[in-house]
Amino acid sequence: DIVMTQSPDSLAVSLGERATINCKSSQSVLYSSNNKNYLAWYQQKPGQPPKLLIYWASTRESGVPDRFSGSGSGTDFTLTISSLQAEDVAVYYCQQYYSTSLPTFGPGTKVDIK
Amino acid sequence: EVQLVESGGGLVQPGGSLRLSCAASGFTVSSNYMSWVRQAPGKGLEWVSVIYSGGSTYYADSVKGRFTISRDNSKNTLYLQMNSLRAEDTAVYYCARDRYYYDSSGYSRPFDAFDIWGQGTMVTVSS
Repeated sequence: DIVMTQSPDSLAVSLGERATINCKSSQSVLYSSNNKNYLAWYQQKPGQPPKLLIYWASTRESGVPDRFSGSGSGTDFTLTISSLQAEDVAVYYCQQYYSTSLPTFGPGTKVDIK
Repeated sequence: EVQLVESGGGLVQPGGSLRLSCAASGFTVSSNYMSWVRQAPGKGLEWVSVIYSGGSTYYADSVKGRFTISRDNSKNTLYLQMNSLRAEDTAVYYCARDRYYYDSSGYSRPFDAFDIWGQGTMVTVSS
């Protein structure tokens, strides 16, 4: 199985400041035949299901604000919130879908307001 | 409106069984890859199972041989039959649709990122 790790476990950022979350996979999730990274990011607020933010490592889902961006390739990825808003307080998960029919999630990073 | 609504959760004793349902609206379950994902209290997300549009099914090792995913096309509903339940199966169970894209030939290509989620149903396994 591909193991996903995230850092930090939690972070507190001032409103309007940048938040950066890192995600690492135990093996590359870059599919060479199509040059796509099989990596997604989700946001989960308390009492709600997860919400897909980004897939293919950097493609924003429809309706997701452009302050959310994803980057990285191979085994190392980053989710950046360029200007933190109060409504962005949540837990963020990365997930690989490179392994056919065996997707795995990272442990999550909690984002709070400083 | 595209929507998933789970039901069927509850309290069950270890070794017992439960069947979860996930009713879809706004799209056709049988034309999509559909998954179950669970979340133990205060913990992260764990993928459980998927059923492909063609009917193939796959399971996490933690539930293989105990859980069965299925669908009823006439009811546009996804199911998860859970047998031999253990305390570690206690979680909120979400059904989710695998996202898809259209390739250059216009064919729908699903992949295991989940774009539509239900609100979840709680399963508690305890004596």
